[in-house]
Amino acid sequence: DVQLVESGGGLVRPGGSLRLSCAVYGFTFSSNSMTWVRQAPGKGLQWVATINQDGSEKYFVDSVRGRFTISRDNAKNSLYLQMSSLRAEDTAVYYCARQPYAMDYYFDYWGHGTLVTVSS
Amino acid sequence: EIVMTQSPVTLSVSPGERATLSCRASQSISINLAWYQQKPGQPPRLLIYEASTRATGIPARFSGSGSGTEFTLTISSLQSEDFAVYYCQQYNNWPPEVTFGQGTRLEIK
Repeated sequence: DVQLVESGGGLVRPGGSLRLSCAVYGFTFSSNSMTWVRQAPGKGLQWVATINQDGSEKYFVDSVRGRFTISRDNAKNSLYLQMSSLRAEDTAVYYCARQPYAMDYYFDYWGHGTLVTVSS
Repeated sequence: EIVMTQSPVTLSVSPGERATLSCRASQSISINLAWYQQKPGQPPRLLIYEASTRATGIPARFSGSGSGTEFTLTISSLQSEDFAVYYCQQYNNWPPEVTFGQGTRLEIK
């Protein structure tokens, strides 16, 4: 079965950094583009970043560009989100999600998410 | 940025009845639209992609339609497990910029 398991969330002060991980199981990780989506408490979904299969292409929503980095380790079946200069508005559950096809940016499998809280 | 607007914000329907949810794009997105269902404490679940194709394992009572700027998700006969929040998402742009609607909460009448 396909599984995506996020970790690394927690409480961080404004201006701080955090690294999220997503371990994947049950499919050939190197074959799929991967994405992070976040959801602020009680709010809707927001696309954050996408990385292609070999990590050579990366895309970010404007609000995190320059502060967040997305990466992957295909040998370890893992996706990462390095977050820095964190702000209160970055507080959210962060989900990793799989794109079934490289050119179609919808998401067929999601992890259960990891909560990031930015507060002093 | 393509803005996705869902209506209504909340929809109250009785079990067994039909529910119709709408999603409008601020510019044409062809059929590059997906629908998701989200229950409290759970991640979103893909229901529909390419505006009208059901994802694997999704019951036939869920159907999607539309193209361009106007889209609809129809649930033909509501079951108790269908009461949730539904999001539409466009994926038309390149470089990729995906945007979600604000969601429609489907509640029991």
